[in-house]
Parts: sequence; C-alpha cells; structure tokens
Amino acid sequence: NAGVTQTPKFQVLKTGQSMTLQCAQDMNHNSMYWYRQDPGMGLRLIYYSASEGTTDKGEVPNGYNVSRLNKREFSLRLESAAPSQTSVYFCASSERVGRTYNEQFFGPGTRLTVL
Amino acid sequence: QQQVKQSPQSLIVQKGGISIINCAYENTAFDYFPWYQQFPGKGPALLIAIRPDVSEKKEGRFTISFNKSAKQFSLHIMDSQPGDSATYFCAAQWGGAQKLVFGQGTRLTINP
Repeated sequence: NAGVTQTPKFQVLKTGQSMTLQCAQDMNHNSMYWYRQDPGMGLRLIYYSASEGTTDKGEVPNGYNVSRLNKREFSLRLESAAPSQTSVYFCASSERVGRTYNEQFFGPGTRLTVL
Repeated sequence: QQQVKQSPQSLIVQKGGISIINCAYENTAFDYFPWYQQFPGKGPALLIAIRPDVSEKKEGRFTISFNKSAKQFSLHIMDSQPGDSATYFCAAQWGGAQKLVFGQGTRLTINP
C-alpha cells in the first residue's frame, strides 16, 4: 500500500498563476483533508471532505478550492496564487466508525513557493 | 483563533533526559487528544493519543498526562534519544466533528 500520495513534491509559481495539487489514498478511507503548515502556526485545515461528494471549509479556506473527484482522490486548487500561499501543503485521510476516533494518515507534502 | 496552544516552540534535551511538551485548550467539548510526530521532509504521523476519561497513557517511552480541570495535557519522552529529534504537534478533536485542531508545534532536538 502506498498510503497517501501527493503530487507534485515541489512547485514554484508566479503571483497570479494557478495550479492544482493532487492527492490520492489507497486505504479506502471516507474522509480526506488538506492542511497547510507554516512556521510557528502548526497545521491549519484548509478544506476537508467527510465523505465522497461532500466538502467543507476549514480554518483557512480563502484563496483555495477543492474537488473530491472520487473516494480515492481529493484535489486542492489555487486559482490565483499569492505570496501568502507559500507554504507546505499536506493531504491526509482517515476512517471513522461511529464515535471511534481514527488516526489521520498524512502524505509527504508539497512545498509551494509563490514569487 | 488558536484553540490549542502548545509550548515551548523549540526544546533541546540531552540524550537520556526527559523531554516535556505542554498543550492547553479552551473548548471543553474536545474529547480526543492525539500527539503527532513529524520528521524533516515527511508528513506527521500519529504517536500516541488519549481520551479525557483517563489521566495518563503510556506507550513505551512516551507518556501523555492529562489534566481535565486545568484543560491541559502534556507529552513526556523518557530516556530521550537522538532518533526522537523531530517536530511534535498536539491536537484536539470533538465528537461532533471529524476535524483536528493542531497546536503550533515543538521542534525537539536531542543532543548526543
């Protein structure tokens, strides 16, 4: 099992350019998440998808859009990149049954620089 | 709004010593408190977690201490080793949501 995979690993954009970060998981999880990690700020949730066909905003959704393409794939799109979006982006997935708290499995991250 | 506050931001401990990282929260609805460990260039991975119905959970050299009345919890790493050098995040979740709220992270360095 590959777990959670993300592409690309690195990306440099110019201000105003657009791009899509791809994420896929092979663990048959229902829930998927997008986070950004910035120094001193921890991991902040951008968007999440509790199940296929649903998406919800997290703590910092402005400037981003997401698509839950199918159960395996959850993409994050930056329509018009800004320097403030320079960050490391992580995708994660988890499975939850009832009130059981299940761990989130993270991908290796995408390091994005916006010039 | 940071709902989980973590300290210190960085910590240096000698090999064999005890590493202690603290977290505090405000939302009394939180009822699940995991710790994640992240090595450089990797994604975070679950290390250990606790529910508020117990005051302590131990797994090997790693222990979570939980103080419900003070709304604080901490990670203790006994006999710290250089391989424990990583960034540690505390987090919290409440039963009605499938979202985690993370602390700011602590960069731990264990000197040999």
